[in-house]
Amino acid sequence: EAGVAQSPRYKIIEKRQSVAFWCNPISGHATLYWYQQILGQGPKLLIQFQNNGVVDDSQLPKDRFSAERLKGVDSTLKIQPAKLEDSAVYLCASSLLPTGSGANVLTFGAGSRLTVL
Amino acid sequence: AQKVTQAQTEISVVEKEDVTLDCVYETRDTTYYLFWYKQPPSGELVFLIRRNSFDEQNEISGRYSWNFQKSTSSFNFTITASQVVDSAVYFCALSALGGSNYKLTFGKGTLLTVNP
Repeated sequence: EAGVAQSPRYKIIEKRQSVAFWCNPISGHATLYWYQQILGQGPKLLIQFQNNGVVDDSQLPKDRFSAERLKGVDSTLKIQPAKLEDSAVYLCASSLLPTGSGANVLTFGAGSRLTVL
Repeated sequence: AQKVTQAQTEISVVEKEDVTLDCVYETRDTTYYLFWYKQPPSGELVFLIRRNSFDEQNEISGRYSWNFQKSTSSFNFTITASQVVDSAVYFCALSALGGSNYKLTFGKGTLLTVNP
């Protein structure tokens, strides 16, 4: 079974520039998550999709971050304009069970490391 | 609100030693799930174990074992006879209802270094 694919693995940009990350979840997984992991901290949920609908985006800084999941498969996370504090690893994860199940086991991608200068 | 505390920031052991990673959680929910994930240097978080709030039976799976105690809100994880390949950051996580959906909250992680 192929894992969760993410690209790019690394990105360096200047502050106020824009960046986009792409994620392809495991085939058949209805639920997709984007997490932000700042160095030395645990992952923090940014947004959660079930199929192509947003379930939870309460921690997404909507003035600069946006995400979409077209056709309920691939997803993109965009930051515009980027700030220094956005430097982090952006992790995409997917799960088989719907978001109403607390037993969900998430399968993570390798992440996209963003450095904002 | 959900919270997970991993008090140990870093642990260093010598190969073949046993090591226990501590985790304390907070939630008001009576139904919740606890997880341990491993993050090796490659960056991908890997699922290790899961426990639900109604099952306090402690188990052993290979070199891994866990101790879930609701009375102290703790979910500790032990690696027996550690190996160099166990070197990674280990995250404890809590899945509890945040509104109408379960939300997974991670601790800050414990960096485990196993030296040969």
